[in-house]
Amino acid sequence: AQSVAQPEDQVNVAEGNPLTVKCTYSVSGNPYLFWYVQYPNRGLQFLLKYITGDNLVKGSYGFEAEFNKSQTSFHLKKPSALVSDSALYFCAVRDMNSGGYQKVTFGTGTKLQVIP
Amino acid sequence: NAGVTQTPKFQVLKTGQSMTLQCAQDMNHNSMYWYRQDPGMGLRLIYYSASEGTTDKGEVPNGYNVSRLNKREFSLRLESAAPSQTSVYFCASSGDSLQGIQHFGDGTRLSIL
Repeated sequence: AQSVAQPEDQVNVAEGNPLTVKCTYSVSGNPYLFWYVQYPNRGLQFLLKYITGDNLVKGSYGFEAEFNKSQTSFHLKKPSALVSDSALYFCAVRDMNSGGYQKVTFGTGTKLQVIP
Repeated sequence: NAGVTQTPKFQVLKTGQSMTLQCAQDMNHNSMYWYRQDPGMGLRLIYYSASEGTTDKGEVPNGYNVSRLNKREFSLRLESAAPSQTSVYFCASSGDSLQGIQHFGDGTRLSIL
């Protein structure tokens, strides 16, 4: 079984400050890891993924995420937050060995509020 | 470039009524999914279709049925709506080469009175 935990329901950060949204995962094999963003009244949009290789992954809108295998974490980061980054963020995991069906498990989401 | 299109965007039903939510994708993806999103629960998979002609239950299938009409379209049916099915429903699709990246529609907001 695979699972994802996002321990914070909400993260508040001042505009211009660095932000971190936390995610930990559990899979039986090697993970594919993803971050998605959801703006109000919209569907989820893909931000970035970790498949293999460099532990620091860069994605859209200046976001990046660090894969840490020993801590089973995949935290989302951005050096300088913008008010427009305010949204709901979802971490997701897929077991690389899950076969033909691309079952992805999503976390419960973290609301990011960037304060002007 | 439409991506994943869901109809309707909003709907209000009375308990016991039936309804079909429509989803179509124009990216030639094999896999399609239906999720529901509830506050504090994240996204929960209702049904999925790994390819045209196949469907399988997800995490919360009770009270729902699906049809993969062709490669483009994947519909979700509520046969007898219940207030517990009030939610936002999302359809998504993914291609074999996308390593699990899913493309989402903008959702159907369904209220059942």
